Amino acid sequence: GQQLNQSPQSMFIQEGEDVSMNCTSSSIFNTWLWYKQDPGEGPVLLIALYKAGELTSNGRLTAQFGITRKDSFLNISASIPSDVGIYFCAGRKAAGNKLTFGGGTRVLVKP
Amino acid sequence: GAVVSQHPSRVICKSGTSVKIECRSLDFQATTMFWYRQFPKQSLMLMATSNEGSKATYEQGVEKDKFLINHASLTLSTLTVTSAHPEDSSFYICSAWRGEDTQYFGPGTRLTVL
Repeated sequence: GQQLNQSPQSMFIQEGEDVSMNCTSSSIFNTWLWYKQDPGEGPVLLIALYKAGELTSNGRLTAQFGITRKDSFLNISASIPSDVGIYFCAGRKAAGNKLTFGGGTRVLVKP
Repeated sequence: GAVVSQHPSRVICKSGTSVKIECRSLDFQATTMFWYRQFPKQSLMLMATSNEGSKATYEQGVEKDKFLINHASLTLSTLTVTSAHPEDSSFYICSAWRGEDTQYFGPGTRLTVL
């Protein structure tokens, strides 16, 4: 099925660093959602975006809904060890209520 | 706290048997729920949309006779994997929209078919 293009696929972080990831699509979405999934658990909603250009924060997390409605990014500031996990973007189109998911960004800690 | 629950969290079964997984919305009613399957190190793949009071809508390539979905109430959807085989081993996750804007996921069910 269709997937959003999410990058990077994986990244190593050092405590205190800022982290960025993004999702792009060839088609328009009217809602963008960002989730974090820990091993063996379901995705947990981090941030929801509903308007083009919208910038929303949740603690150290900031996400933006791209002005073209075809992309979104998520930033994590001052990363901490518990930020490790897999982050997924998901988009919903104007018609219907299915979500389309990105391939995920695996965040790992530098040894 | 959790808004969507799943039961069981883990299940191991023998090949050829059937397994039922429950998904419940805890503090809201959900006319629509979704069932996903996730293989290791992969993204979530939508299997079907569960509609309260009517037949489920299956994604292309998903066998409706193998993955039976029943959405008998506004807070409960069940997925039954019939005649399970080892290739059905996976992580199954349900979700539901709370209101119009936010979709929440259950904690997932790890199915292992021996």
